[in-house]
Amino acid sequence: AQRVTQPEKLLSVFKGAPVELKCNYSYSGSPELFWYVQYSRQRLQLLLRHISRESIKGFTADLNKGETSFHLKKPFAQEEDSAMYYCALSGSGGNKLTFGGGTRVLVKP
Amino acid sequence: GAVVSQHPSWVICKSGTSVKIECRSLDFQATTMFWYRQFPKQSLMLMATSNEGSKATYEQGVEKDKFLINHASLTLSTLTVTSAHPEDSSFYICSASVGSSGANVLTFGAGSRLTVL
Repeated sequence: AQRVTQPEKLLSVFKGAPVELKCNYSYSGSPELFWYVQYSRQRLQLLLRHISRESIKGFTADLNKGETSFHLKKPFAQEEDSAMYYCALSGSGGNKLTFGGGTRVLVKP
Repeated sequence: GAVVSQHPSWVICKSGTSVKIECRSLDFQATTMFWYRQFPKQSLMLMATSNEGSKATYEQGVEKDKFLINHASLTLSTLTVTSAHPEDSSFYICSASVGSSGANVLTFGAGSRLTVL
């Protein structure tokens, strides 16, 4: 079975401060990890995926297989980063995504 | 870019009636679509995988006779909530895989909010 855990339901930071969203997963095989974001009144959209190893909107995430984690980080949060963030996992050979519980990020001015 | 459209965006119905929600891929073909359910302030829960031209694959605990899925074309999947009850009230979201097989990148619809009175 595959499972994704996001321990923080809410993260509140000031503009310009670093932000880190934690994500831990459980999967017996080789997973693909994703971060999806949902801005207010918008649909869920892909933020980044671990195999791309890219930075999107200043966010980065590194897959740590030893710790089974895929934490999302941004060194300087902006107000427009306020949104709901979901970590998701896809097992090998399929597109089925398992989502974590989500973390709401609130960036205060 | 790839767009997934859902209709209706919200619907209110009486208990005991059936409601159909459509999910369309607007500028690409989707052999596989996914239906999720989201309760308030909770995460997305996968209900079923919709396969074009074949039966849907339901997740454990999801009643296939309650949530009928039809994927008759490469651009349309429908979810019908049969004999709806207030506990079926929820936000239903569909998604489709974009890109080459195994790409695992999903594009999501805007969701359909169902309220059963």
